[in-house]
Amino acid sequence: DTGVSQDPRHKITKRGQNVTFRCDPISEHNRLYWYRQTLGQGPEFLTYFQNEAQLEKSRLLSDRFSAERPKGSFSTLEIQRTEQGDSAMYLCASSPQGNWHNEQFFGPGTRLTVL
Amino acid sequence: GESVGLHLPTLSVQEGDNSIINCAYSNSASDYFIWYKQESGKGPQFIIDIRSNMDKRQGQRVTVLLNKTVKHLSLQIAATQPGDSAVYFCAENSLGNQFYFGTGTSLTVIP
Repeated sequence: DTGVSQDPRHKITKRGQNVTFRCDPISEHNRLYWYRQTLGQGPEFLTYFQNEAQLEKSRLLSDRFSAERPKGSFSTLEIQRTEQGDSAMYLCASSPQGNWHNEQFFGPGTRLTVL
Repeated sequence: GESVGLHLPTLSVQEGDNSIINCAYSNSASDYFIWYKQESGKGPQFIIDIRSNMDKRQGQRVTVLLNKTVKHLSLQIAATQPGDSAVYFCAENSLGNQFYFGTGTSLTVIP
């Protein structure tokens, strides 16, 4: 499978715990995006990487959230001191290099449940 | 069948009919738009995109229309099939790197 992969697919944690998700984009894609999606809503932008550089971060993103893409390939999203409101589907997407933004390929998502 | 996006988030059509899903976007500076299809338990899947220098773009069985004057985007699906049943989202992008997704419209195809 050469698509975007995410791990784990499901995560259940207790409030206050830290969690980390991983995204492996399509190998030749240099753009990587993280989104959060709650039930019945569209994906909400969290952050964007171009290669290893984090170029944009949503102002809505709490400082408990941090993302990295150390070698410009896979990316991790960490949530510290999780809260029940963090329960959502976390989606990763990648797209190829270009002068313009273009088609984003989404992974299957990681569903987080905070008890 | 036709929806008006946020006001009618569900759309039911008979198999074989054409579907029209509408989206009103908010940012007049947005210059790139994408329609996505999302099936239950899966990530969004790209359907078709359009840039602001175009009014219409056609794909296989799908057509996207862009009306910048009223900030309106529509997705037309020809000969709707049961496999088209899903939630459809429009997404807009302006000069930055953020994509803004609409609430989505749930399409149900009745066999």
